[in-house]
Amino acid sequence: EAGVAQSPRYKIIEKRQSVAFWCNPISGHATLYWYQQILGQGPKLLIQFQNNGVVDDSQLPKDRFSAERLKGVDSTLKIQPAKLEDSAVYLCASSPRGWAQRVDEQYFGPGTRLTVT
Amino acid sequence: AQSVAQPEDQVNVAEGNPLTVKCTYSVSGNPYLFWYVQYPNRGLQFLLKYITGDNLVKGSYGFEAEFNKSQTSFHLKKPSALVSDSALYFCAVRDIRAGNTPLVFGKGTRLSVIA
Repeated sequence: EAGVAQSPRYKIIEKRQSVAFWCNPISGHATLYWYQQILGQGPKLLIQFQNNGVVDDSQLPKDRFSAERLKGVDSTLKIQPAKLEDSAVYLCASSPRGWAQRVDEQYFGPGTRLTVT
Repeated sequence: AQSVAQPEDQVNVAEGNPLTVKCTYSVSGNPYLFWYVQYPNRGLQFLLKYITGDNLVKGSYGFEAEFNKSQTSFHLKKPSALVSDSALYFCAVRDIRAGNTPLVFGKGTRLSVIA
């Protein structure tokens, strides 16, 4: 079974530029998560999708961050414009059962390391 | 609000010795608890979880954790550490109240197993 795929693995941009990250979850997984992991901290949930609907985006800075999951499969996370404090690893995860996502373990991709200069 | 504390930034242990990585949590109701491990340049990998039932949970790679409700703890343990266990370990908690509550992670504990 293929794991969660993410691209790019690394990205360096200047502040005020825009950037997009892509995630392809494990086939058939209903729930998809985007996390931000700042150096020295644990992952923090940005947004959660169940199929192609948003379940939780309460911690997403909506003035600059956006995400979509078209057709309930892969997803993109965009930052526009980027700030220095957005430097972090952006992790995508998926879990199989939408109705049981609260107890299911999550499967994580390798992450995208973003550096904003 | 739910939260997780991992009081040790770093744990060092000799190969073959038992290891413990500590985790305490705070939730309004009852918790779902998880342990994940992160190797360099890789995403988090699931180790084990406590949902309900037996307080002692066994997981991958010989790890286990004990849910202690009175102490609000969920410490990760292994009887005999391997050098390959060296990694960053995260404890996570979710409140089981109805409705969607996010999984909240601790800041992580770096485990170093010395040969």
